[in-house]
Amino acid sequence: DVKVTQSSRYLVKRTGEKVFLECVQDMDHENMFWYRQDPGLGLRLIYFSYDVKMKEKGDIPEGYSVSREKKERFSLILESASTNQTSMYLCAGRGQGNTGELFFGEGSRLTVL
Amino acid sequence: QKEVEQNSGPLSVPEGAIASLNCTYSDRGSQSFFWYRQYSGKSPELIMFIYSNGDKEDGRFTAQLNKASQYVSLLIRDSQPSDSATYLCAVPANQAGTALIFGKGTTLSVSS
Repeated sequence: DVKVTQSSRYLVKRTGEKVFLECVQDMDHENMFWYRQDPGLGLRLIYFSYDVKMKEKGDIPEGYSVSREKKERFSLILESASTNQTSMYLCAGRGQGNTGELFFGEGSRLTVL
Repeated sequence: QKEVEQNSGPLSVPEGAIASLNCTYSDRGSQSFFWYRQYSGKSPELIMFIYSNGDKEDGRFTAQLNKASQYVSLLIRDSQPSDSATYLCAVPANQAGTALIFGKGTTLSVSS
């Protein structure tokens, strides 16, 4: 199985700060994803990456950017955090098999004040 | 934009009963379908996937797919309190099938 590790479980930031959310997977696999999860809105795809330096926008990319400099690391960046970006952020990696299974990290709970 | 619809619930069933969770999807071209379970405070984990019309069984879980009706369901037999969780239906977001689009989830509560 793919093990996905998110560096911060809880973060509190102020409006306008630049925020980095880090995610590392322990398998040599191309596909990684960032979702956010909010009550009543479910899991929404922000960005995903299918290879180093490659990225694709998901459904809600506005206000976010990503970085994939190494295959095992996929970072989500909030250039100027806003209160509506307070959320649970989930990173996922795709398993090697053809089931399409995503393996999720434990999540990063971000609060923007 | 692809959509996945689920009844948010909560769905309440007594222990030992069959729980039926339903999902509809908008893209008739979707080829594969996934059910994830998410316990409160935890991350989602895959419990079932299905590609073909009909039923797929895995232990107490059965996934049912009807592509003509664009409908996929998850049946949980002999429901246990440990099955209490939110169940998320998902379909591929793109042709390559790399990313998934999730429904908002159905919360299941199994009472002992």
